[in-house]
Amino acid sequence: DTGVSQDPRHKITKRGQNVTFRCDPISEHNRLYWYRQTLGQGPEFLTYFQNEAQLEKSRLLSDRFSAERPKGSFSTLEIQRTEQGDSAMYLCASSFGTGGTDTQYFGPGTRLTVL
Amino acid sequence: AQKVTQAQTEISVVEKEDVTLDCVYETRDTTYYLFWYKQPPSGELVFLIRRNSFDEQNEISGRYSWNFQKSTSSFNFTITASQVVDSAVYFCALSPFRGKLIFGQGTTLQVKP
Repeated sequence: DTGVSQDPRHKITKRGQNVTFRCDPISEHNRLYWYRQTLGQGPEFLTYFQNEAQLEKSRLLSDRFSAERPKGSFSTLEIQRTEQGDSAMYLCASSFGTGGTDTQYFGPGTRLTVL
Repeated sequence: AQKVTQAQTEISVVEKEDVTLDCVYETRDTTYYLFWYKQPPSGELVFLIRRNSFDEQNEISGRYSWNFQKSTSSFNFTITASQVVDSAVYFCALSPFRGKLIFGQGTTLQVKP
């Protein structure tokens, strides 16, 4: 089975630029999650999709952040007008769920550095 | 509020020692799930175990064992006869019914040869 993949693995950008990350979930997984992890901390939830519907967004997800999952398969996370505080590892996870909580499998992450 | 506390920031042991990683959680939900993940130096989070709030049976998988005690809101993880390859950051996480994972701050385990 192919695991969760994320692209790019590393991104360096200048403050004020826009960046977009892509996540490809495990095939047939209907749920997709985005998390952010800063150095020395545990991952923090950003948002969650079930199929193409965005069901929950964290307060961490400011207006500069937007996520999509247009066909219920891959997802993109865009950050507009990046700030130095956006520097972090952005993690994507997927799961298959029909009811309750299911097990999330994580991708390798995209490390963002904002200069 | 829902919260996970991993009070041990770093633990260092010598190979073959047993080590226990502590996890304490807070939730008002009656149905919830608990998880442990491993994050090796490569960075990818690896799923280890999932437990629901109605199943307090301890579990053993090879050198790994988990002790879930609802009375003390704890879900501790023990590695028996630790190995250098066990060196990683270990995260405990809580999930409400059908939802996001709420992670602790992680415990960095260093196993020295």
